[in-house]
Amino acid sequence: KAGVTQTPRYLIKTRGQQVTLSCSPISGHRSVSWYQQTPGQGLQFLFEYFSETQRNKGNFPGRFSGRQFSNSRSEMNVSTLELGDSALYLCASSAGQEAMTTEAFFGQGTRLTVV
Amino acid sequence: AQRVTQPEKLLSVFKGAPVELKCNYSYSGSPELFWYVQYSRQRLQLLLRHISRESIKGFTADLNKGETSFHLKKPFAQEEDSAMYYCALNGAGERAQKLVFGQGTRLTINP
Repeated sequence: KAGVTQTPRYLIKTRGQQVTLSCSPISGHRSVSWYQQTPGQGLQFLFEYFSETQRNKGNFPGRFSGRQFSNSRSEMNVSTLELGDSALYLCASSAGQEAMTTEAFFGQGTRLTVV
Repeated sequence: AQRVTQPEKLLSVFKGAPVELKCNYSYSGSPELFWYVQYSRQRLQLLLRHISRESIKGFTADLNKGETSFHLKKPFAQEEDSAMYYCALNGAGERAQKLVFGQGTRLTINP
């Protein structure tokens, strides 16, 4: 079974630009969540999608948005990039509502650098 | 407030010695707690969850609701245990996903 796949692995963007990151969950998983990892703040929850609907949201500004498609693939968008958005962005998938387990399987992450 | 605290950023022990990584949490309600591990150049992966009450790679963790703790323990450390360990709480209730992570503890096992 293929694991969670994130693309691209690395990105360099300029302040003010926008960026879209992609995540393909494990086959059959319907929940996709996103996390930001930085040396100062650690791992912080951004949002979770289930069946194309945002189910939970963290404390990030509106510049951070996401969506989920009918095949459970998810994208995350950051608009008007700031230097502080430089981070490793992790995607995780889990089985979702039908299963009692909420074990999250993580991707390798996308390293975003804003210059 | 939902919060996970790992008081030790770094922990270094000798091979064969016992290991304890501390984790305290703050959560109103019945918590769902996990330990995740990240080995060098690998992705973050689940090590333990309190619901299953199992031992993985010799590690165990017991939920103590009175002390709001979920410490990770192993009686005899091995060199391959060197990694970054994160304690996490699911802040969204069962079946939904919103992990609140501690800052992590880097465990180094010395030969």
